[in-house]
Amino acid sequence: AQSVAQPEDQVNVAEGNPLTVKCTYSVSGNPYLFWYVQYPNRGLQFLLKYITGDNLVKGSYGFEAEFNKSQTSFHLKKPSALVSDSALYFCAVRDWASGAGSYQLTFGKGTKLSVIP
Amino acid sequence: EPEVTQTPSHQVTQMGQEVILRCVPISNHLYFYWYRQILGQKVEFLVSFYNNEISEKSEIFDDQFSVERPDGSNFTLKIRSTKLEDSAMYFCASRDTGRGNTIYFGEGSWLTVV
Repeated sequence: AQSVAQPEDQVNVAEGNPLTVKCTYSVSGNPYLFWYVQYPNRGLQFLLKYITGDNLVKGSYGFEAEFNKSQTSFHLKKPSALVSDSALYFCAVRDWASGAGSYQLTFGKGTKLSVIP
Repeated sequence: EPEVTQTPSHQVTQMGQEVILRCVPISNHLYFYWYRQILGQKVEFLVSFYNNEISEKSEIFDDQFSVERPDGSNFTLKIRSTKLEDSAMYFCASRDTGRGNTIYFGEGSWLTVV
């Protein structure tokens, strides 16, 4: 079974400071890892993903995430936070061993990011 | 940029009534999904659909739920006899072929069962 943990319900950061939103995962095979963002009253928007290759992946809006296999983590980062980054962030995982037609993503509970002006 | 579109954005229905939520996936995508998010809880997988049949479903997706692709563009989720606990945001999603391809979500349909 696959699972995702986002240990922080909320992260507060001052505008201009670096931000980190934490995510750890558990899969039986190799992981496909994703970050999605949900703005108020909006759907889930794709930010970035790790499939294979370079452990540091870059995504939309200046976000990046680092895959760490030994720590089973995929933390989301941004060097300089903007007030407009305030939203709910979801980490999700899919087990690479799943069949090509199966794409059951398992989501974390979400982390609310508040960027303070 | 292509996107998944969903209708209605919000629906209020009485318990026991049937509801159909509609989705138009991204046009060249072949895999379709429904997920749901009960207020304050995790986003949960309901069902995946490929080649005009269900490829996988979760325990949540019981006999009251069904999915259909009635034409070349729409993908629907039907809830036959709604219950209070069906109140949630329902997300449609789609992706192209390939193991690593991204799954794209729609804006969601809020269902409130009263």
